[in-house]
Amino acid sequence: ETGVTQSPTHLIKTRGQQVTLRCSSQSGHNTVSWYQQALGQGPQFIFQYYREEENGRGNFPPRFSGLQFPNYSSELNVNALELDDSALYLCASSQTPLFSGSSTDTQYFGPGTRLTVL
Amino acid sequence: KQEVTQIPAALSVPEGENLVLNCSFTDSAIYNLQWFRQDPGKGLTSLLLIQSSQREQTSGRLNASLDKSSGRSTLYIAASQPGDSATYLCAVLSGGSNYKLTFGKGTLLTVNP
Repeated sequence: ETGVTQSPTHLIKTRGQQVTLRCSSQSGHNTVSWYQQALGQGPQFIFQYYREEENGRGNFPPRFSGLQFPNYSSELNVNALELDDSALYLCASSQTPLFSGSSTDTQYFGPGTRLTVL
Repeated sequence: KQEVTQIPAALSVPEGENLVLNCSFTDSAIYNLQWFRQDPGKGLTSLLLIQSSQREQTSGRLNASLDKSSGRSTLYIAASQPGDSATYLCAVLSGGSNYKLTFGKGTLLTVNP
């Protein structure tokens, strides 16, 4: 049991709508990362939040945005949904940011949110 | 741009066999490399993390090696069991001021009883 939880489990939206996905990090973890995983592909890094600030970002457009709260939980917001946004969205938490060079870089993943855009 | 390739894409072995999964990456300037396991429709479970200064890591029946100069890593699974059936993903952390984690597409492993 990793302790990372995500909500909702499944979500269906239509093109052009906006969506908010939520993640609660494991106790004691101050870093949260978000990933998009299309069917049959490896996860794609969206961004990372450390102590409420974004400090790393993959190749995703600005309509993908996020927040991290003082309790280190996080939200992923996607505006103007497109069909290609349909994917499994994964959240991962860690004790330290990915670049710290520590063994505590290990990430613990939640079960994901399956988003379908029609 | 970092690219990660995993070979083979799928592997089927009988129970008890030792096996090796391969991962290669194009940019050797990495911070670390991780191996993950993913069960169908589920999140990822971290198996092993190797820092760029390390050569290998071991956990139980798993051993991961890293050759940064050649851009390669292997995951060795000893005495495979049906419960090892899953997709195995490797990911490298790289980048300068804008670092990111880049995943391969994974190897689908099936261990037959």
